[in-house]
Amino acid sequence: GAVVSQHPSWVICKSGTSVKIECRSLDFQATTMFWYRQFPKQSLMLMATSNEGSKATYEQGVEKDKFLINHASLTLSTLTVTSAHPEDSSFYICSARHNNYGYTFGSGTRLTVV
Amino acid sequence: AQRVTQPEKLLSVFKGAPVELKCNYSYSGSPELFWYVQYSRQRLQLLLRHISRESIKGFTADLNKGETSFHLKKPFAQEEDSAMYYCALRGAGTALIFGKGTTLSVSS
Repeated sequence: GAVVSQHPSWVICKSGTSVKIECRSLDFQATTMFWYRQFPKQSLMLMATSNEGSKATYEQGVEKDKFLINHASLTLSTLTVTSAHPEDSSFYICSARHNNYGYTFGSGTRLTVV
Repeated sequence: AQRVTQPEKLLSVFKGAPVELKCNYSYSGSPELFWYVQYSRQRLQLLLRHISRESIKGFTADLNKGETSFHLKKPFAQEEDSAMYYCALRGAGTALIFGKGTTLSVSS
């Protein structure tokens, strides 16, 4: 139980375009989901906490207008990277917390902006 | 401030040798501490959490509040233990805060 599905697993986009990443809890409801960014062989940096039905809480230094988060249902949170630039290229990971199984993670999305 | 420190970026050991991956934390309250493992090209998986005090794949970790540490230990390393290990803290918020990770390399 407690599976989180993240989509797409990789995406290449042109500079200036927007990219949407989906995070779904498949077999449980998640009122809260989390978005992380991971640089190669480095730690996961918390970007924001996504709250169902309300605004996301962003960590210091993360641009809200750049990284739009929507958590419209109990099983889906989306992260949209707007006007992407090469420096946004990274590995993005979502996570959700299950009451019994704790924190579970998606398989991540490799974003490359060219 | 909440912070997790993993001082070693890389730890190389031989198969059968003991392993200790260090983790220190900074948090003024009572934290929840976790160890996650990430095998090559796979998602993060929970290895241990301090509240359950269990042993998974031979790994154990004890929370030492006096030293603010939660070191991960295994008496005899196996080659399949080679992976990236992250120590994580849940403090005041609901999200996990991660350390920078330690790559464990076990060779024969």
